[in-house]
Formats: sequence, C-alpha cells, structure tokens
Amino acid sequence: DAGVTQSPTHLIKTRGQHVTLRCSPISGHKSVSWYQQVLGQGPQFIFQYYEKEERGRGNFPDRFSARQFPNYSSELNVNALLLGDSALYLCASSQGSVNEQFFGPGTRLTVL
Amino acid sequence: QKEVEQNSGPLSVPEGAIASLNCTYSDRGSQSFFWYRQYSGKSPELIMSIYSNGDKEDGRFTAQLNKASQYVSLLIRDSQPSDSATYLCAVNIIGGANNLFFGTGTRLTVIP
Repeated sequence: DAGVTQSPTHLIKTRGQHVTLRCSPISGHKSVSWYQQVLGQGPQFIFQYYEKEERGRGNFPDRFSARQFPNYSSELNVNALLLGDSALYLCASSQGSVNEQFFGPGTRLTVL
Repeated sequence: QKEVEQNSGPLSVPEGAIASLNCTYSDRGSQSFFWYRQYSGKSPELIMSIYSNGDKEDGRFTAQLNKASQYVSLLIRDSQPSDSATYLCAVNIIGGANNLFFGTGTRLTVIP
C-alpha cells in the first residue's frame, strides 16, 4: 500500500507570492493534518481536516488556509509569503479523527 | 510555557548500549503519547505509541509512561548506528482536534 504522498517535493518562491501544497493520505484514511517544521524544531500543528471538515486550527495567520476534497486528499495554501514561511511542510494521515498519525515525505518550501 | 519538553542533547551512546530518551509534558489532559524518529532531511516516522501508564515493548524499543509525573520515555536496547537520528516526543491533548504537540527532539548518535 502506498503511504502518504505530497507534492511538490521542493519549492522556491519569492516574498509576496502564493503557494499550494498537496497531500494524498493513506488509502482508507479520512483525516489529514498539516504541520510546519522549521530547522531545529519539532513540527507545529497548522490544520486538521476530517471527513472534509476543519476539525482544528493551530496558531497560524489567516494567510494559511486548507481544504479537503471528497477523495480525502488535501491542499494547503499560503498567501503573501514571508521569509519566515520557509520550512518543511508535513502532511499527516490518520484513520479517524483521533488516531496515530503517519507523515508524508514533506514539501521543502524556500522563500527568497 | 512549552507543552512538551525534551533534552535536546546531543546524546551519544556506544553501539550495543541502551539509549534512554526522556520527555515531559505540561497538560494533565494529555491522553496519547508518541515517539517519532526523524533522520536528517527526512520526515518523522512513527515508532511507538502509548496510551496508558506502564511499559510498552516493541522489538528493541520500550516506551514508558507515567501520567502522575507527566513523563514519557523511550528506551532503545542494543543500539545500532542506524538508530542515529533525532527522536521527537509528541503528545495529543484531547480538546477536539487530533493535533500533536511536539518537543524539539533529542539528537541521538550511536558510535560504532
């Protein structure tokens, strides 16, 4: 079975631009969570979606938004990019709304 | 105030020794506890989950949970050079969303 997939793998953007990151969960999993990991820190929670509804939001500005599609895949959008948005963006998949989470390979975003 | 604290290390042990990784958490409402392993440049990989007080063993790994002391640990027996990685402690604080709070990680080096 395929694990969590994310695209793209790497991305370079300039300040002020917009970015869309994509995630496909493990087959049969209905929940997707997004995390941001900056160098030297643990991942920080951004959003959780379960059955296409937002179940939780971390302490991130409104420039960050997300959605989940009927096939349970998800997109994370970030507007008006700042240098501080440079990080590894991780998608985690879980069966239900409160289960073990399995991470995808991540998208490395660099903002210049 | 940090939710989850780990000794950032680095922790060095000789091959074949026991590596002991520790984690404390601040919220008494925490119900689920996880250890992730993260190799440099890679995403976190779930290696252990523990939900009730006591020990849980899986191969060379043992997780220990003491909710009264708000403490969770990971023991790695017969450490191998391939165990060299950053180990992240994560806590699920039940409150609606399945969002994990991570520590900053402990860097482990196993010396051949």
